[in-house]
Amino acid sequence: EAQVTQNPRYLITVTGKKLTVTCSQNMNHEYMSWYRQDPGLGLRQIYYSMNVEVTDKGDVPEGYKVSRKEKRNFPLILESPSPNQTSLYFCASRDRGITEAFFGQGTRLTVV
Amino acid sequence: AQSVAQPEDQVNVAEGNPLTVKCTYSVSGNPYLFWYVQYPNRGLQFLLKYITGDNLVKGSYGFEAEFNKSQTSFHLKKPSALVSDSALYFCAVRPADRGSTLGRLYFGRGTQLTVWP
Repeated sequence: EAQVTQNPRYLITVTGKKLTVTCSQNMNHEYMSWYRQDPGLGLRQIYYSMNVEVTDKGDVPEGYKVSRKEKRNFPLILESPSPNQTSLYFCASRDRGITEAFFGQGTRLTVV
Repeated sequence: AQSVAQPEDQVNVAEGNPLTVKCTYSVSGNPYLFWYVQYPNRGLQFLLKYITGDNLVKGSYGFEAEFNKSQTSFHLKKPSALVSDSALYFCAVRPADRGSTLGRLYFGRGTQLTVWP
């Protein structure tokens, strides 16, 4: 089954404790993205990758890092999480061309 | 700057009635336009897209959308709403130019659709 898998689905952590949210897709897609969803703000793109070792900042990259060492994986790293990073995070992937994006189930992160 | 506006935070409609969820956009050049739906505790799911050609696009679950270039709008419609259509709907635009925004998707804030029995 074609899917984008994020882990964990839920995470509560403390300020400053480094964490990684994993994202994996099994569709051999070139493009992968991370978004955060906040009430009243919709989805905002954090980072974007067009292929292995090619990443670019989205609209809200501050406080986040990403890497794309393999085509299927695109982890999101919070080196020193802060409470304002409490949010619902989505990973997405899509194929080349004018194609739709496939989204993961989401990761609800709470930073206390 | 690229932007997408969904002017209504909420749309309420009775089952069986037609529904419209509005979307307007601002992008450089020609846009590719998408609608996604999000059910509770789920990721976003693709509904339909406009690339070029016929201004009326048909998608999943009986939804359709009308592209209007002069009004820069891409409203989502369904002739007869179902209770199961209740969800959060997102409009998204992808600029077709080949500049720095190539490939990026820009989302609206979402519209909560509630269909009551």
